[in-house]
Amino acid sequence: EPEVTQTPSHQVTQMGQEVILRCVPISNHLYFYWYRQILGQKVEFLVSFYNNEISEKSEIFDDQFSVERPDGSNFTLKIRSTKLEDSAMYFCASRHRTGGSFYGYTFGSGTRLTVV
Amino acid sequence: AQTVTQSQPEMSVQEAETVTLSCTYDTSESDYYLFWYKQPPSRQMILVIRQEAYKQQNATENRFSVNFQKAAKSFSLKISDSQLGDAAMYFCAYKKSSGDKLTFGTGTRLAVRP
Repeated sequence: EPEVTQTPSHQVTQMGQEVILRCVPISNHLYFYWYRQILGQKVEFLVSFYNNEISEKSEIFDDQFSVERPDGSNFTLKIRSTKLEDSAMYFCASRHRTGGSFYGYTFGSGTRLTVV
Repeated sequence: AQTVTQSQPEMSVQEAETVTLSCTYDTSESDYYLFWYKQPPSRQMILVIRQEAYKQQNATENRFSVNFQKAAKSFSLKISDSQLGDAAMYFCAYKKSSGDKLTFGTGTRLAVRP
């Protein structure tokens, strides 16, 4: 079964450093997402991306965050200057166009980001 | 803004028994989708079941079924014949018909006793 692949599975970074989280969505999917889950808390929407632009973003997704689909296969989330509170599990997800109904996303296994 | 509430932080069920996980939500929309996602220790989010709000019939996927009460804004998940592999965190999620954002509840951790 096709999968959404995220790398690395765990990343440790120093506060203030830039970090890039990588995702390879399912190949025929057109819509891409990032969510995050701070340990022990609920999963929160960060951003959605379609047709090479952001279609929706949350208040969490401030100027420190950016997304890119640099080569038509990878989908990346960049955090410019990490803070301690950015420590979380980051999930990538994707879906294809489904006409009138929405069948849900496929999530990746997540990248655990630890900021020290 | 839409909110999703899961009032049971933890639940426990005996293997082979049935358990129901509760979820309520708040929305002013009439058309939307509801989901249950399972998050095992591997942390991957796995779609268990989905419900379209305009459909009266409750969704069913093998041992998993929902009780969707639109007027009460309630969307509970019933797991029948519980198995050890069902042990996980379960998240209820909402999406309005337009837009792509999923709004999640805080989750219910389900333990399955052998």
